[in-house]
Amino acid sequence: ETGVTQTPRHLVMGMTNKKSLKCEQHLGHNAMYWYKQSAKKPLELMFVYNFKEQTENNSVPSRFSPECPNSSHLFLHLHTLQPEDSALYLCASSQGLAGGPAYEQYFGPGTRLTVT
Amino acid sequence: DQQVKQNSPSLSVQEGRISILNCDYTNSMFDYFLWYKKYPAEGPTFLISISSIKDKNEDGRFTVFLNKSAKHLSLHIVPSQPGDSAVYFCAASTGNQFYFGTGTSLTVIP
Repeated sequence: ETGVTQTPRHLVMGMTNKKSLKCEQHLGHNAMYWYKQSAKKPLELMFVYNFKEQTENNSVPSRFSPECPNSSHLFLHLHTLQPEDSALYLCASSQGLAGGPAYEQYFGPGTRLTVT
Repeated sequence: DQQVKQNSPSLSVQEGRISILNCDYTNSMFDYFLWYKKYPAEGPTFLISISSIKDKNEDGRFTVFLNKSAKHLSLHIVPSQPGDSAVYFCAASTGNQFYFGTGTSLTVIP
């Protein structure tokens, strides 16, 4: 148990559906992240939030829409996805964004997304 | 363009021996490096880290070495245990950006 939970663990959705991924951290951290892991590719950072404010958006298509209502919750809203968006989506949190130990990220178990 | 590379997809080591996992990077601006371990169906778990101003950091059986001139990072596990069998990812950061390698699957043979 890492203190970061993600729901759902598995999701199958059609290209016209709208769904949301949820992440919650119970560690008192201030920064939260969304990552995408495709088969045989490295983890790709998608979004970074620090104190609820988005600090990074790594050229992610607009069909992915993040939301961070508070420092403990992070959502990823999905709409009109493509089959190539099928991947493992991981949420992480860290104490802060400053250098040193604040960089240590704690990951949730991920949501396995399949777009049909 | 992959800025962090783990060129060995897998490694097998006998229990009790040393495991050495390697990682290369291209961006000289990286200022912090981390190693993560991942078991199936779980998210990555933080293992050990090192700042770019250091060349070695040790935590129990785990030691990370940083060679900035070679842009090379390595993780040593001594002695290796069967429970260490997992996928190991190295990561590097600069600013608010984090870059991960593709991982090395370590198998420790009892």
